[in-house]
Amino acid sequence: DSGVTQTPKHLITATGQRVTLRCSPRSGDLSVYWYQQSLDQGLQFLIQYYNGEERAKGNILERFSAQQFPDLHSELNLSSLELGDSALYFCASSSGWTGTGNEKLFFGSGTQLSVL
Amino acid sequence: GEDVEQSLFLSVREGDSSVINCTYTDSSSTYLYWYKQEPGAGLQLLTYIFSNMDMKQDQRLTVLLNKKDKHLSLRIADTQTGDSAIYFCAETTSGGYNKLIFGAGTRLAVHP
Repeated sequence: DSGVTQTPKHLITATGQRVTLRCSPRSGDLSVYWYQQSLDQGLQFLIQYYNGEERAKGNILERFSAQQFPDLHSELNLSSLELGDSALYFCASSSGWTGTGNEKLFFGSGTQLSVL
Repeated sequence: GEDVEQSLFLSVREGDSSVINCTYTDSSSTYLYWYKQEPGAGLQLLTYIFSNMDMKQDQRLTVLLNKKDKHLSLRIADTQTGDSAIYFCAETTSGGYNKLIFGAGTRLAVHP
C-alpha cells in the first residue's frame, strides 16, 4: 500500500459527460501529480500541484482541470468526455518540491475511466 | 525534447537474469528511475540512479547507466515469477519541476 488513495476505482460514463476523480496523498506529502495511462499513449504526465499551487503542466487537455485543496487532497475534473478519454488515471504524491530532480513518487492504484 | 524508449516485451526463464533496456534523449536528466507495475496496481518505485553514477546495486537489482549513450538498463538476478510485471523507465530533470517522463514500459514474463 503506497498510502495514496484514489476514488473511485472504476467509473463508467457516457460521452459528453463530466466526472471528478479524487486523490488523497500520503500523509505529509505536499505534491500531487496526475498521470493518464492508455494503451496508445502510455503514461502521460498531466499536471502537478505543490501545496495548493500548480507547479507543472504536461499534456493536459483544456477540457481537463485540476486543483489541490487546503487539506492537500486533489481532484481532477474531466469534462465533455470523449471515447478517447477512456484510460487509467493515476495520482501520485511526493514529499515536496526539492528542486533537485530527485523526488520519489508514490502512486495510487488508479481510477479506470470508461467512456461509452 | 524529452523522450524515453523501451522494448515492449521480454520473456525469461525462472532463475535466469533479466535485462531491461531503456534509452532517453534528454541529456540534462539528473535522475533516472525504474518503476514496476503489477496488474491492477499503481506504479511502485524500484530503484533510481543519479546521472553522475555508472552503476547502482540493490539486492537482486543492478542499474547500469551509460550517460554518453543515454542508455539505462535494469538487471534482475535470479528472476522469479513474482517479478512478472511491467517495468517503466523514467527520467526527470532538475529545475524544480519533478515531472517524470516515462517510457512505454517493458512487459516481463517469467516462465518456469
